[in-house]
Amino acid sequence: DADVTQTPRNRITKTGKRIMLECSQTKGHDRMYWYRQDPGLGLRLIYYSFDVKDINKGEISDGYSVSRQAQAKFSLSLESAIPNQTALYFCATSDSTRRGRGEYEQYFGPGTRLTVT
Amino acid sequence: GDSVTQMEGPVTLSEEAFLTINCTYTATGYPSLFWYVQYPGEGLQLLLKATKADDKGSNKGFEATYRKETTSFHLEKGSVQVSDSAVYFCALSVINAGGTSYGKLTFGQGTILTVHP
Repeated sequence: DADVTQTPRNRITKTGKRIMLECSQTKGHDRMYWYRQDPGLGLRLIYYSFDVKDINKGEISDGYSVSRQAQAKFSLSLESAIPNQTALYFCATSDSTRRGRGEYEQYFGPGTRLTVT
Repeated sequence: GDSVTQMEGPVTLSEEAFLTINCTYTATGYPSLFWYVQYPGEGLQLLLKATKADDKGSNKGFEATYRKETTSFHLEKGSVQVSDSAVYFCALSVINAGGTSYGKLTFGQGTILTVHP
């Protein structure tokens, strides 16, 4: 089984709808991240969470919100979807306790392809 | 701020050709450097990393050397295969003076590599 899972894998929704993307991990990592990928722009950080009570905005958080329901679960919500939020969304995790032995590595889920019409 | 610049793509090569993908960076602190690979329809996977100057990361025949003097981390492979066709991302994570990672990855825009038989 995959260590980092995302649901749904594909979603088409209409402008103005609320949508939630979910991420779960079995790696036991404390840190979780949400990125979006757009062609030619690489991945950009939306939100990140260092633990259940520590949530931070990334570089492109406008129009998004998150919830860290448990150490293993981190959800991304679009309150009112708009077409320019059409993108590939990735969840990632990292382990801050592995200091000096790979704490900086992030492990990615398979992605959710979101289309807003 | 932190930034990563990759060579423009796409890159198209014949099998067994030599590959170089250039990556340069600017960082506000002391960076660790990474190359991630994204195969079609999949999430990102860590390909290799280097956490201090002059370190060489290597994996699956790929290599990259952390050059502090030129702020570069170019990816190379001596003989590419069709199975290497993917998108390659250079990324950095900044470590603060206390040796702790902020945990955020800054990505380049990605380079599409296509290898023909």
